[in-house]
Amino acid sequence: SYDLTQPPSVSVSPGQTASITCSGDKLGDKYACWYQQKPGQSPVLIIYQNNKRPSGIPERFSGSNSGNTATLTISGTQAMDEADYYCQAWDSSTAVVFGGGTKLTVL
Amino acid sequence: QVQLQESGPGLVKPSETLSLTCTVSGGSISSYYWSWIRQPPGKGLEWIGYIYHSGSTNYNPSLKSRVTISRDTSKNQFSLKVRSVTAADTAVYYCAKFIAVAGTGSNWFDPWGQGTLVTVSS
Repeated sequence: SYDLTQPPSVSVSPGQTASITCSGDKLGDKYACWYQQKPGQSPVLIIYQNNKRPSGIPERFSGSNSGNTATLTISGTQAMDEADYYCQAWDSSTAVVFGGGTKLTVL
Repeated sequence: QVQLQESGPGLVKPSETLSLTCTVSGGSISSYYWSWIRQPPGKGLEWIGYIYHSGSTNYNPSLKSRVTISRDTSKNQFSLKVRSVTAADTAVYYCAKFIAVAGTGSNWFDPWGQGTLVTVSS
């Protein structure tokens, strides 16, 4: 099976840049996407095809994917960005795979 | 704007079958893929499976033996059945539109329904 690994938690100060990683074997050869989930809410797509933002997602959210790691970057992090973030990719053996999720705390 | 709404019993007894329906508005299920994802309380997301507009399906290998996804195009709904449930199947169940770019391995879920909590307990 194919696994995606995320750090359980990341902390950032308001206005600073937060980076959340997602690691998997040769993940850079695949497409990664990212979801934001706030407490009690459904996940929302924030990055697809490694680095594309859906309509309505602020420019401060960006993504990259190379080697074994996909990275979600939040520039100028705001208090409203405090949430759980999940990466997702496709593997031919497992089909859809989610990372375990990262809780972003804005201190 | 596509919207999805899950419905079904919130409580299921162990060993019985969990049945949920997702009603789609603002778009036809005769196009695209349609999927189920679940999230146990306090835990991460787990993909369950999807159904294509042709009716073909694909399931998470870890759940494949107990899961069936079907559709009713006349009602613009698709459904999930999970057989022989245990407490480990307690979760919020989400339905979502699954977008897959043919031949690329690029895919994502958007949008998601609001989710429905299903508790397995006697």
